[in-house]
Amino acid sequence: ETGVTQSPTHLIKTRGQQVTLRCSSQSGHNTVSWYQQALGQGPQFIFQYYREEENGRGNFPPRFSGLQFPNYSSELNVNALELDDSALYLCASSGRGLAGGGNEQFFGPGTRLTVL
Amino acid sequence: GENVGLHLPTLSVQEGDNSIINCAYSNSASDYFIWYKQESGKGPQFIIDIRSNMDKRQGQRVTVLLNKTVKHLSLQIAATQPGDSAVYFCAENRASNSGAGSYQLTFGKGTKLSVIP
Repeated sequence: ETGVTQSPTHLIKTRGQQVTLRCSSQSGHNTVSWYQQALGQGPQFIFQYYREEENGRGNFPPRFSGLQFPNYSSELNVNALELDDSALYLCASSGRGLAGGGNEQFFGPGTRLTVL
Repeated sequence: GENVGLHLPTLSVQEGDNSIINCAYSNSASDYFIWYKQESGKGPQFIIDIRSNMDKRQGQRVTVLLNKTVKHLSLQIAATQPGDSAVYFCAENRASNSGAGSYQLTFGKGTKLSVIP
């Protein structure tokens, strides 16, 4: 177990609705990254949060947004859900190197989102 | 576009044999690579990593080889066990397009390893 938890484990929504997914990072980690994993594909980077601010974003539209809280936990919000948003959403926490470089990321179990 | 990909989508090996999973990457600026194992219903689990200033790194039963000349990465699993059955991803760790000091993982599609008892 990595110590990264996510909730809920499964979620069913209909097209057009909004969803909020939650992630608690591993103790001592101040950086949270979110990934979308479609069935049979590798995870795709959505964005990263560091010290409560977005610090890097992948190729996802603005309807994907997030928050990071003072305790470093994080939320992923998706507005105007589309059928293609159905996927496993993973969060990963990591510590921040002195030079801000990449560090090992520890993944949570993910939230399975189904959009009908 | 730049991507990380795998040569073989599926691999079946006999229990006790060695497994080799290959990966090609295209971003020559990448300086850190990671192999992850993902079992059904779980998030990716770190196996082993390697930095670009190395060409080989060994762990417990696993070895990662990096060939920067041809941009190729491989994961070798010795004495493969049924518990090794999973999907394996290589990931490239590189600076994000935005955000000072931001790094993101770029994953390939994965190779499914099936171990035959």
